[in-house]
Amino acid sequence: GDSVTQMEGPVTLSEEAFLTINCTYTATGYPSLFWYVQYPGEGLQLLLKATKADDKGSNKGFEATYRKETTSFHLEKGSVQVSDSAVYFCALTRGNYGQNFVFGPGTRLSVLP
Amino acid sequence: DVKVTQSSRYLVKRTGEKVFLECVQDMDHENMFWYRQDPGLGLRLIYFSYDVKMKEKGDIPEGYSVSREKKERFSLILESASTNQTSMYLCASRGASGVYNEQFFGPGTRLTVL
Repeated sequence: GDSVTQMEGPVTLSEEAFLTINCTYTATGYPSLFWYVQYPGEGLQLLLKATKADDKGSNKGFEATYRKETTSFHLEKGSVQVSDSAVYFCALTRGNYGQNFVFGPGTRLSVLP
Repeated sequence: DVKVTQSSRYLVKRTGEKVFLECVQDMDHENMFWYRQDPGLGLRLIYFSYDVKMKEKGDIPEGYSVSREKKERFSLILESASTNQTSMYLCASRGASGVYNEQFFGPGTRLTVL
């Protein structure tokens, strides 16, 4: 079945470091891909999305490119801030109509000042 | 702004109790979802609903049921709570089905079953 694999966490970085969180997927058809972020004590918020191959989603300095050939959607940011400390989830739509989602296990990011 | 609210942020119940978790969305969304979130497992889909009175099982429906009597409200029911149902429960809603639309999440209910 459809699945999402994310790099193991936690990831600890210093402020202004470069961030990559790897995400690869297995899916039938042509899913849309998403990154969600969960700040402490809150629900998930959409960070960015891409709906077809080679699309690049971007938001708040984060970027991810939909790579169909490598079935990947890696999240990157050039310079992280302490406020980026959160759990990041990669997800894809599944089903004939994209009616529901499959989420990865999440990657916890801690950014130190 | 889309708003998804859940009836409680924290809940403590005893084994065997019947538990209701309520979720309300204000965006007239057709689709609503219940997930549980556990460390290392991410979010797992329990049930979803694509219309009033309609429901579909997700990946882990055992021990749960749902009710959707009105479009804006989706309830998760634990008929007889057990300790292995201690978890964070997240509700989400989404507009008309299609691969482009995102899900909007509530803040979550942390349920502890003693």
